[in-house]
Amino acid sequence: GENVEQHPSTLSVQEGDSAVIKCTYSDSASNYFPWYKQELGKGPQLIIDIRSNVGEKKDQRIAVTLNKTAKHFSLHITETQPEDSAVYFCAAGDNGQNFVFGPGTRLSVLP
Amino acid sequence: NAGVTQTPKFRILKIGQSMTLQCAQDMNHNYMYWYRQDPGMGLKLIYYSVGAGITDKGEVPNGYNVSRSTTEDFPLRLELAAPSQTSVYFCASSYRLADTDTQYFGPGTRLTVL
Repeated sequence: GENVEQHPSTLSVQEGDSAVIKCTYSDSASNYFPWYKQELGKGPQLIIDIRSNVGEKKDQRIAVTLNKTAKHFSLHITETQPEDSAVYFCAAGDNGQNFVFGPGTRLSVLP
Repeated sequence: NAGVTQTPKFRILKIGQSMTLQCAQDMNHNYMYWYRQDPGMGLKLIYYSVGAGITDKGEVPNGYNVSRSTTEDFPLRLELAAPSQTSVYFCASSYRLADTDTQYFGPGTRLTVL
């Protein structure tokens, strides 16, 4: 089955700096790679996703890059703000049962 | 739309007790999922359903049961609760299967088994 690793587990950045979170996956059949943001006491919420036929996708301050050959994908947040502080999860999969989340990265944006 | 709703928000059980975690969605999604989230860990899939009357096991199904009698509701049943089931439980739904579409999550149920 699929296995997803995520690094770092915690990340602290100064407000205005960039943050990068990296994930690797094991199953070459995976073709959908979403990123979820989880704020304290809430359920995860999708912030951006990418599919295997695309190498990069951007939405305002958030971007995701995918390298299918190396089986890794990354989340990039630019101009970080205090409200970006949360736990971020990557995920990968190719069917409902084989859809796996990474362990999460706790991002703290320091004012 | 209320989205995905879960009840209760918190619950404390004694070892051996049973309970049902409720989940409902009003988005007419065919696909629904139950996850558990242990401290510092990602979400693990317990069960999922591709439509009314159809359910299937995920990665960690032992100790749980589900049913899907309607499109809207997907309750999770814990029989003979054990301390290892202490976790936060999230229900989610999607229009298409998880690997191709956004999942919408409920606010979670925090369960403690003592």
